[in-house]
Amino acid sequence: NAGVTQTPKFQVLKTGQSMTLQCAQDMNHNSMYWYRQDPGMGLRLIYYSASEGTTDKGEVPNGYNVSRLNKREFSLRLESAAPSQTSVYFCASSPYSSNQPQHFGDGTRLSIL
Amino acid sequence: DAKTTQPTSMDCAEGRAANLPCNHSTISGNEYVYWYRQIHSQGPQYIIHGLKNNETNEMASLIITEDRKSSTLILPHATLRDTAVYYCIVRVRSSGDKLTFGTGTRLAVRP
Repeated sequence: NAGVTQTPKFQVLKTGQSMTLQCAQDMNHNSMYWYRQDPGMGLRLIYYSASEGTTDKGEVPNGYNVSRLNKREFSLRLESAAPSQTSVYFCASSPYSSNQPQHFGDGTRLSIL
Repeated sequence: DAKTTQPTSMDCAEGRAANLPCNHSTISGNEYVYWYRQIHSQGPQYIIHGLKNNETNEMASLIITEDRKSSTLILPHATLRDTAVYYCIVRVRSSGDKLTFGTGTRLAVRP
């Protein structure tokens, strides 16, 4: 019973490098989300995909791009990493029903030097 | 978005009930109250949600006041494993079903 799986769990990048964070869910959920969490703060929404084939910006989308590859997978790309993007990134999914809870992965810890 | 206000930190003794309050005085009539927790930087874990009525599941109980301006999450018999940051969230009713996390309440369960 995997739920939401994120890869990698840890990554160190140099400024200017690019990277794609992967997320997959096996719960047949329609909606998927990417959040970031900085130390001592709550989660902030980066991008979301309400259903396969759609993506929308969240609260802090600058510097990121996303791809909803299929119903299961939702990737987050940093084209040119900056130190300000050092954070823990969480992926989540939920059924396509507005009162259903989101299920989260265990996060990717990303450091940019 | 209806904003929420929670105490920064609380503690309780192991085996006792933990009562975590949340104020959401600007909540709209069709917005749900959700509770999540985050244990030691793991991914947030869904606990419970409700609209008007009190709710109970295997993890906790949710008590919502009649005017819906506040709620209380109750962990009936807290254990050390319940030490976590607890987030009270009012669901944004728009496409994408976004969750807006505040800074939550850090609950410490004492042995």
